[in-house]
Amino acid sequence: QKEVEQNSGPLSVPEGAIASLNCTYSDRGSQSFFWYRQYSGKSPELIMSIYSNGDKEDGRFTAQLNKASQYVSLLIRDSQPSDSATYLCAVNTGPSGTYKYIFGTGTRLKVLA
Amino acid sequence: EAGVAQSPRYKIIEKRQSVAFWCNPISGHATLYWYQQILGQGPKLLIQFQNNGVVDDSQLPKDRFSAERLKGVDSTLKIQPAKLEDSAVYLCASSKSGGANTGELFFGEGSRLTVL
Repeated sequence: QKEVEQNSGPLSVPEGAIASLNCTYSDRGSQSFFWYRQYSGKSPELIMSIYSNGDKEDGRFTAQLNKASQYVSLLIRDSQPSDSATYLCAVNTGPSGTYKYIFGTGTRLKVLA
Repeated sequence: EAGVAQSPRYKIIEKRQSVAFWCNPISGHATLYWYQQILGQGPKLLIQFQNNGVVDDSQLPKDRFSAERLKGVDSTLKIQPAKLEDSAVYLCASSKSGGANTGELFFGEGSRLTVL
């Protein structure tokens, strides 16, 4: 089982719609969860972090965490063509007591104008 | 504040040759990471340093890859000998703290390796 799993996509949504991106993780003891955005040919940049169960909103972005289901999601409201990128889920995981920062494979999002 | 510096940006080598990548993290950042990102895939953690100690290198192919972080500041990743499947972008990142309190990672621009 992979430590962090995402659907690779592509996920295509029309401009103005809500894009929903999902991620599952294997280490039940993980405490820190992150969403990074990566444009083609560029390095990842952080867009959201979440540490507690529930929702966290920042502008058009909402991160959702459910530790019981080991599930993290990212909602992008009013999607814009500029949101077209690969979205990487990352978990700071430490099943053996030493923490390492693991990324999923990423979901490619296409927002259609 | 200066970001994470990496060099070289691009490198083309023949298989079985060697290559070295350099990374200078953000000043004061304790934790340094090397990731390998193959086209179309997510970043794969190769090695994670906390100061000048290794936290995790379980995914580092130690028969050909080596990395060091002398004096807990900059770091070098070496590949010798290179294989075709090593063609990838090598991303260096740093974070202010490590362990359970690790927050945002700051990435360099990456070093793109092509092995012919």
